[in-house]
Amino acid sequence: DAGITQSPRYKITETGRQVTLMCHQTWSHSYMFWYRQDLGHGLRLIYYSAAADITDKGEVPDGYVVSRSKTENFPLTLESATRSQTSVYFCASSAGGRANNEQFFGPGTRLTVL
Amino acid sequence: GQQVMQIPQYQHVQEGEDFTTYCNSSTTLSNIQWYKQRPGGHPVFLIQLVKSGEVKKQKRLTFQFGEAKKNSSLHITATQTTDVGTYFCAGRGAFGNEKLTFGTGTRLTIIP
Repeated sequence: DAGITQSPRYKITETGRQVTLMCHQTWSHSYMFWYRQDLGHGLRLIYYSAAADITDKGEVPDGYVVSRSKTENFPLTLESATRSQTSVYFCASSAGGRANNEQFFGPGTRLTVL
Repeated sequence: GQQVMQIPQYQHVQEGEDFTTYCNSSTTLSNIQWYKQRPGGHPVFLIQLVKSGEVKKQKRLTFQFGEAKKNSSLHITATQTTDVGTYFCAGRGAFGNEKLTFGTGTRLTIIP
């Protein structure tokens, strides 16, 4: 039972390059989320998705693009990476609905932009 | 937009001492969740509180949701080294959509 996985786990890139972070979940959860975690800021929502082909902005969406063509995948793309996007990125999923809305987090991707 | 503040940012306690972290929202919440993140790990769900004034216990952990549904607390009795980590509250807005707003977290370290 893989649950929710992220790849790569670590990534070093250069300013201006495009980077895609992958997220895959095996539970068929409706909702998926992307957060970034920075010291002093906790977890900030970048984008989320309520279902395949439905996405919406979170608190800090600028510089990021998402897609969700399949329920199980929710890739996050940095179109032109900047140093301020150096962070730990967590993907999460939830079944949704009032009784089942805890979020399950992936192991995270540590991204460094030089 | 909705903001969730959490204090303190850091807490160092001797093993066996109690620990409390507090969470305050700028708006009324439909519910609040608590997560724990071990060093180098990912957040893991602990509990959800829904009702005004609700109190829930998990062994040495006691969670409270304020009467106005704008604040919450987590209290750990007699801390152990396994309690080390960062504790986050996460509030869901009054309209109950699936987005959570996370607090900044309280990082707990234990002095053996």
